[in-house]
Amino acid sequence: KAGVTQTPRYLIKTRGQQVTLSCSPISGHRSVSWYQQTPGQGLQFLFEYFSETQRNKGNFPGRFSGRQFSNSRSEMNVSTLELGDSALYLCASSLVRGTDQETQYFGPGTRLLVL
Amino acid sequence: AQKITQTQPGMFVQEKEAVTLDCTYDTSDPSYGLFWYKQPSSGEMIFLIYQGSYDQQNATEGRYSLNFQKARKSANLVISASQLGDSAMYFCAMREVKTGANNLFFGTGTRLTVIP
Repeated sequence: KAGVTQTPRYLIKTRGQQVTLSCSPISGHRSVSWYQQTPGQGLQFLFEYFSETQRNKGNFPGRFSGRQFSNSRSEMNVSTLELGDSALYLCASSLVRGTDQETQYFGPGTRLLVL
Repeated sequence: AQKITQTQPGMFVQEKEAVTLDCTYDTSDPSYGLFWYKQPSSGEMIFLIYQGSYDQQNATEGRYSLNFQKARKSANLVISASQLGDSAMYFCAMREVKTGANNLFFGTGTRLTVIP
């Protein structure tokens, strides 16, 4: 079974631009979560989508948004980019949600650099 | 308060030796799951091992085992017979069930270096 895929792998943008990142979960997985990883803040939860609905959101400004399609693929969008948005963005998928044991499997991440 | 605490920023271990990476957690939820992930320099988070709050036995997966001490709220990862390929960042994470949320809370990680 193919793992979680994320595109693009690397991205360079300038301040004020917007960016869209894509995530394809493991086949059959319906929950997709996004995390931001920076040296200063570590790994922080952005949001989770399940059955095309946002189920949970972390403490990020409204510039960060996302969506999920009927095939469970997900996109996240960051508008009006700031230097501090430079990070590794990780997508994770799981089969179901709400249980303690459901493992999240991560993709390779998208490295975003904002200049 | 931090939900996951990893107090070892960096650890060194000799090849073929065992190493323990520490993790303590904080939650009032009686039902939770604990996870360890490995992150090589490439960036991908690789799932290693899972321990449920109600599990009576410590989890094991090959060379990985989890030393779960519920009363002390600790979930240390033990890697036996270290290999050079084990050099990476290791993250402890927790999911709480009562909130119904699916997100993981991560620690700050421990960078493990295996010395030949």
